[in-house]
Amino acid sequence: QKEVEQNSGPLSVPEGAIASLNCTYSDRGSQSFFWYRQYSGKSPELIMSIYSNGDKEDGRFTAQLNKASQYVSLLIRDSQPSDSATYLCAVNRPQAGTALIFGKGTTLSVSS
Amino acid sequence: GAGVSQSPRYKVAKRGQDVALRCDPISGHVSLFWYQQALGQGPEFLTYFQNEAQLDKSGLPSDRFFAERPEGSVSTLKIQRTQQEDSAVYLCASSASGQGLGYTFGSGTRLTVV
Repeated sequence: QKEVEQNSGPLSVPEGAIASLNCTYSDRGSQSFFWYRQYSGKSPELIMSIYSNGDKEDGRFTAQLNKASQYVSLLIRDSQPSDSATYLCAVNRPQAGTALIFGKGTTLSVSS
Repeated sequence: GAGVSQSPRYKVAKRGQDVALRCDPISGHVSLFWYQQALGQGPEFLTYFQNEAQLDKSGLPSDRFFAERPEGSVSTLKIQRTQQEDSAVYLCASSASGQGLGYTFGSGTRLTVV
C-alpha cells in the first residue's frame, strides 16, 4: 500500500459545481496534512493545510480531516475553469522528521 | 530573495555526464528539501537539510546522487554519471521551520538525459 493514495482522475465538473478531491494515508502517526495545486508545467503551490480533525475553510476551499479513517479531502466550491489543475495531497512522515510524502495527484478539469 | 530560485531551468545531459543543480531558498528559511518529480507522478522526497546539516538523505536513489548546503543557504544537488531514468523535474523547497509547515517550492529544473 502506498503511503498516500489519490484517485488520479481526471475529475470533470461543470463551472459553478463543487469539486471533491479525496486522499487516504497509511501512517497513523502523521500529524500534518496539506493540499497543493500544480498547474501543468509549474511547481506545486500550497493552498491548504490542516492539522486537527474536522473542517477548515479558506475562501472557496474546505479541507476535511478524519484521522480515525486516515482520510483527507478537499472541497472546492463554485469551481472555476482556473481551478483546472492537478491537486496533490501531502502528509508528513513522522519517523523521518520533516519530509512530506505526496500522492500522485488528482487532475481536475472544470468546464465552462 | 522573494521566492525559491532554481537554476538552470532546463538541462539536457548526455548519458554519463555529471550535472549540478542549484537551489537558492527564501532568505532565512532554515529547512531545505529536494524532490524528484517524474512525469505524471507526485514529487518524491530525496533529501532534507536543516541549515548546513543534511538530516535525512533516505530518498536519494543511488550513490550517484549527492547534495550539499555548506553555508546553510544555497544548496546544490549533484548527479554523477547520469542515466536516462534520472530524467525528471528536480524541485527544491524551503520552509521557515522543519516540522509540520508547508513548503514553498521553486520552479524546478527539468533534467533530460539523452
